[in-house]
Amino acid sequence: SQQGEEDPQALSIQEGENATMNCSYKTSINNLQWYRQNSGRGLVHLILIRSNEREKHSGRLRVTLDTSKKSSSLLITASRAADTASYFCATGVGGSQGNLIFGKGTKLSVKP
Amino acid sequence: DAGVIQSPRHEVTEMGQEVTLRCKPISGHNSLFWYRQTMMRGLELLIYFNNNVPIDDSGMPEDRFSAKMPNASFSTLKIQPSEPRDSAVYFCASSNPSRAGYGYTFGSGTRLTVV
Repeated sequence: SQQGEEDPQALSIQEGENATMNCSYKTSINNLQWYRQNSGRGLVHLILIRSNEREKHSGRLRVTLDTSKKSSSLLITASRAADTASYFCATGVGGSQGNLIFGKGTKLSVKP
Repeated sequence: DAGVIQSPRHEVTEMGQEVTLRCKPISGHNSLFWYRQTMMRGLELLIYFNNNVPIDDSGMPEDRFSAKMPNASFSTLKIQPSEPRDSAVYFCASSNPSRAGYGYTFGSGTRLTVV
């Protein structure tokens, strides 16, 4: 069964705008990760936030985590056409390297 | 580093045939994962290995699926006999638990079509 659920399922914006994607999950987690998948390619790890962290930045990416609400958000600032991809959240549960359970993703389209 | 290498990239086979997918993880990564991706079900974890030992195979759909990791640099996922509903993209990923902050590294996947 799915652990993480992304929202929205699809998002279309203009280049330069910010994109916000949300993820909700059901059970306690060790960490939450965000991945990007370009069409026809494998997933690429973007950022990991641990359960005791609330916010993390990496370049134009900003991730927040609210464990009380079991939710996370990924913000991409000043989006570019090259950001067009599907974005997945994945929750780490279990032991030191237990399963990563993925949501179904948000399909982001950035129009030039 | 060449990353996680999967072969073949594409496989078209007839129902009932045996299919073998191959994966070479990143050197030094001692965890290896097999995922399946479909439009309907998204990304599903099939099985994962730590130090070449299968840890959790609860995601393997049925006995037609089997996976092995004979050494730290090679893993196979076998489907015998294959069925049309096995058509999907199969991903292999590897990670180093001591560097958990770096997440998983995925291969480019094998697109399997069973006709």
